[in-house]
Amino acid sequence: DGGITQSPKYLFRKEGQNVTLSCEQNLNHDAMYWYRQDPGQGLRLIYYSQIVNDFQKGDIAEGYSVSREKKESFPLTVTSAQKNPTAFYLCASNGGGPHLRYNEQFFGPGTRLTVL
Amino acid sequence: GENVEQHPSTLSVQEGDSAVIKCTYSDSASNYFPWYKQELGKRPQLIIDIRSNVGEKKDQRIAVTLNKTAKHFSLHITETQPEDSAVYFCAASIKTGTASKLTFGTGTRLQVTL
Repeated sequence: DGGITQSPKYLFRKEGQNVTLSCEQNLNHDAMYWYRQDPGQGLRLIYYSQIVNDFQKGDIAEGYSVSREKKESFPLTVTSAQKNPTAFYLCASNGGGPHLRYNEQFFGPGTRLTVL
Repeated sequence: GENVEQHPSTLSVQEGDSAVIKCTYSDSASNYFPWYKQELGKRPQLIIDIRSNVGEKKDQRIAVTLNKTAKHFSLHITETQPEDSAVYFCAASIKTGTASKLTFGTGTRLQVTL
C-alpha cells in the first residue's frame, strides 16, 4: 500500500495547541484531499487541492488550515479553533486533469488524533 | 450540496448468503459512484465503482447497480465469506470547478456469521 503516507499514526494534543498532520504521495497525483472520520460515521471533506499553491474548503473547514507548496505534500493543521478535533484523519489523492471525476481516490493509512 | 444516504447501518448475514446495501443521492450532477470497504482502524479500500453512463457492473462476487432516474445505487455481495465482514461506504462524486469531491454515506457494518 505504498504511494501515499501519513504521519504520525497516533497524535495526542493538549487543548489550545495547534498540530500538523503530514501527508505525502509519490503517485504524481495532482489532487489531494483531507477527510475527517468520527466513530460510526462516514468521511467528511475538510479541504482539497487541485494543484500546487491552490486549495479549496470542503464541508467542514472551520478550525483547519492547509498548504500545498509541493505537489507531493499536503499538510493539515488542526488549530485551537477546532472545538472537537478528536477523530481519525485520512488523506487521499487522485490523478486530476480532465478525467478526474472518474478517478479513484487512494487513501493514506490515517492519523488518529486525540485531544487530552 | 450533495447528500448521500445509506441503509442499513448494520447488516448480519450467514456465510454463503447475499448482502445488499443501498444508497441514495440528491444531486443529479453526480456521475461517479465508488464503494469502499474499511476494516477496523484501516484505510478505506475501493472495491468497485460505477459511472453514470452504466447501469450495472460486476466483479466476481461483487456487483453494483445504478438507477439514475431514482438517484439510487446498490452494492450486492453474493456468497458472503467471513472476510467480507467490515464497514462499507458508498460515495457520490460531483465535479466542482476543476476538482472532484466525494460525498460519503454513513456506512454499513456487515457481519458475516458462520
